[in-house]
Amino acid sequence: GAGVSQSPSNKVTEKGKDVELRCDPISGHTALYWYRQSLGQGLEFLIYFQGNSAPDKSGLPSDRFSAERTGGSVSTLTIQRTQQEDSAVYLCASSSDPHNEQFFGPGTRLTVL
Amino acid sequence: GDSVTQMEGPVTLSEEAFLTINCTYTATGYPSLFWYVQYPGEGLQLLLKATKADDKGSNKGFEATYRKETTSFHLEKGSVQVSDSAVYFCALSAASGTASKLTFGTGTRLQVTL
Repeated sequence: GAGVSQSPSNKVTEKGKDVELRCDPISGHTALYWYRQSLGQGLEFLIYFQGNSAPDKSGLPSDRFSAERTGGSVSTLTIQRTQQEDSAVYLCASSSDPHNEQFFGPGTRLTVL
Repeated sequence: GDSVTQMEGPVTLSEEAFLTINCTYTATGYPSLFWYVQYPGEGLQLLLKATKADDKGSNKGFEATYRKETTSFHLEKGSVQVSDSAVYFCALSAASGTASKLTFGTGTRLQVTL
């Protein structure tokens, strides 16, 4: 595909369950970012991967959140023991270089009941 | 830490009116500055950017000038159209090393009416 894709587009889960959100970046892009867009907090940075370097996890809100990027391509954001305050749209972005434009995916809307 | 402040919305304008959305920032060093737009039902798209002081970013009739002395990056358009209705986000990216994460403002919703 031409752009960043994310799946699922919508996810409804019960409080306490674990969820996995997937991001497929643009082919060849070495930098991958996760952000969260929520009513109360706006757009927040979560985590950033660049090539084989250690990820920048400084934006993860708690240890229930983790992410990995396999083979330098697809990334999975995992939220364990979900809470209602985790409800948000989770956005993934990629770029060809850390200082180039970031291209955003359509997001995954997570609702925790 | 870095932060971006932009004017609260919603902003409601008639078609062909002049648009200004204010944005100011706090950052160490010389960040890159961006305006992103989110049209209804669509993802975030880069609208324009400026990477150093006095640079002017422009696209689709929108302009913004990187003003270091006032730490501002106000978005302007001379004549808005209904199709410009969207949420606009001002953002910055730290200039040094690999710290290229974006710090966003809260977004300003623009509604343009006929």
